[in-house]
Amino acid sequence: GPKVLQIPSHQIIDMGQMVTLNCDPVSNHLYFYWYKQILGQQMEFLVNFYNGKVMEKSKLFKDQFSVERPDGSYFTLKIQPTALEDSAVYFCASSLEDWGSSAETLYFGSGTRLTVL
Amino acid sequence: AQSVTQPDARVTVSEGASLQLRCKYSYSATPYLFWYVQYPRQGLQMLLKYYSGDPVVQGVNGFEAEFSKSDSSFHLRKASVHWSDSAVYFCAVRLPGTGSNRLTFGKGTKFSLIP
Repeated sequence: GPKVLQIPSHQIIDMGQMVTLNCDPVSNHLYFYWYKQILGQQMEFLVNFYNGKVMEKSKLFKDQFSVERPDGSYFTLKIQPTALEDSAVYFCASSLEDWGSSAETLYFGSGTRLTVL
Repeated sequence: AQSVTQPDARVTVSEGASLQLRCKYSYSATPYLFWYVQYPRQGLQMLLKYYSGDPVVQGVNGFEAEFSKSDSSFHLRKASVHWSDSAVYFCAVRLPGTGSNRLTFGKGTKFSLIP
């Protein structure tokens, strides 16, 4: 079936540095999402993105976070600067249509584990 | 507080036994309800969803879930489990009528078989 790819599966970075998490969504999808899961806690919504714009974001989506999809390629989450509390697994997801439709399905990647030292 | 609760962090049964994974929600309105599964080193995959109608919904691989408004629950079941069912299972909700697409997840239940 359709796949969302997140590479690498693990990134280690020093606190204060910038990191960009990459997501290769399903090729014809139009809506993109990031979720964050801290170890031992539930996955939480960060942001969704459509047509070049952030449509909705949560309180977890700090000012240090930004998202973009340049030239229709990777959907990225950038954190600048990183903080210790940013250590988590970040999951990307995509959907073809507005996922509010009952017929629509959200496809998730396998996540990137970010470790901030 | 509004929440999704999966009370069992781990569930272990023998191969061929039945499985029930519990999910309870706490919202003033009935949310849309989902079960997702995450196999090792893979992304989350949707097993089934409930929007309205028949409270028992069928999903892939023999899974079903039953919505109970009185109990505020959406428990996942399978009649006979196999080794390939070993995974982490997540219950999730979306609130209708809010204009929001966000999913709210439970903490997940790790399911494994007794070797």
